[in-house]
Amino acid sequence: SQQGEEDPQALSIQEGENATMNCSYKTSINNLQWYRQNSGRGLVHLILIRSNEREKHSGRLRVTLDTSKKSSSLLITASRAADTASYFCATDLYNQGGKLIFGQGTELSVKP
Amino acid sequence: DTAVSQTPKYLVTQMGNDKSIKCEQNLGHDTMYWYKQDSKKFLKIMFSYNNKELIINETVPNRFSPKSPDKAHLNLHINSLELGDSAVYFCASSQDSRVFTPQHFGDGTRLSIL
Repeated sequence: SQQGEEDPQALSIQEGENATMNCSYKTSINNLQWYRQNSGRGLVHLILIRSNEREKHSGRLRVTLDTSKKSSSLLITASRAADTASYFCATDLYNQGGKLIFGQGTELSVKP
Repeated sequence: DTAVSQTPKYLVTQMGNDKSIKCEQNLGHDTMYWYKQDSKKFLKIMFSYNNKELIINETVPNRFSPKSPDKAHLNLHINSLELGDSAVYFCASSQDSRVFTPQHFGDGTRLSIL
């Protein structure tokens, strides 16, 4: 079964609002990564958070990780129409040779 | 300069045919991957090679055969194509197969089986 599950599956907001996406996983991880996929394109790496970290920032992105609850969240602040994309969390499991297990993704639509 | 490039971008073919997808990365990475993304956008790893050596081989029908002639290239050959093979196939690379290395993806090959 899937390691990662994301919530919500779809999110529609207005430009300038914040967008929060959640990811839950099942087994112990080395790290958790977030990726963005624009329509018709490949995935682009956004941010990586290690299992011993609780929060990480990159520009307008803020990622949290709660290993006790096996969950992570991605917050995009002051969203822009260009943020419209699908967002995926991916877990990097112990001793799996770099194998990433992806969640089903959250489809974000930011309306101008 | 495209970091991870796949060809072709689109592939439309008949059931039963054999086809290949090529992937090249110019990032100097040691590890390359093949993923399959289905119509619901679920992305699943198929294979991974580290410096031309197979390190991940998921439960994939043996009609799918990856080949890595050198560490910059990872091709995917598919025999006897079936309707269920219709999907987008992504190639990716990372610096190595250790932890904490993000993956860089190509733009995908959209395979449609008629």
